[in-house]
Amino acid sequence: DAKTTQPPSMDCAEGRAANLPCNHSTISGNEYVYWYRQIHSQGPQYIIHGLKNNETNEMASLIITEDRKSSTLILPHATLRDTAVYYCIVRPRSGTYKYIFGTGTRLKVLA
Amino acid sequence: GAVVSQHPSWVICKSGTSVKIECRSLDFQATTMFWYRQFPKQSLMLMATSNEGSKATYEQGVEKDKFLINHASLTLSTLTVTSAHPEDSSFYICSARDSQGRDEKLFFGSGTQLSVL
Repeated sequence: DAKTTQPPSMDCAEGRAANLPCNHSTISGNEYVYWYRQIHSQGPQYIIHGLKNNETNEMASLIITEDRKSSTLILPHATLRDTAVYYCIVRPRSGTYKYIFGTGTRLKVLA
Repeated sequence: GAVVSQHPSWVICKSGTSVKIECRSLDFQATTMFWYRQFPKQSLMLMATSNEGSKATYEQGVEKDKFLINHASLTLSTLTVTSAHPEDSSFYICSARDSQGRDEKLFFGSGTQLSVL
């Protein structure tokens, strides 16, 4: 079973920040948090990942709470092309790369 | 970034025939690849782990004789859906990791839409 829970859907106005939450309350100390997104009828696309520090790249920012039980993916200026299903995944730091996908959040960016 | 190529993008076949889907890592070697299937409006479900030079590891409930996986080289894994039936119609996706450890993430193919008539 997936170790993460996410809201099933969210809307966001174009140009505004999209904040997507993820709960991973059973995460252990050696597990990473990964975020991917899937645009309709395509394979998942990597966005960002982190262990305990906040991370930022050209696509997004990842904020992980101090107790690591939850995280938030931030798309700073959402565009229509960001409409997709966003998946939060927990993976052990070493060993298997077997990702178990949860149900994800369907983000709809509105014009 | 690294690229995983999946072929074909879509395929239509008659019930009872077999269909082969290829997954290639284009600019890296992958000793391990993963196969997923996805039904409409559902999440990705892991089917099996493909291991180069050895047998695949199947997830519980996935029929290994139905979904044959071959990983004969460091850049190619194939999934063959044998004796396909309409209930096998689905979106199949592969993923791979750079086995030389240059990247801490999986790269996904673009998926194959299988329709069985």
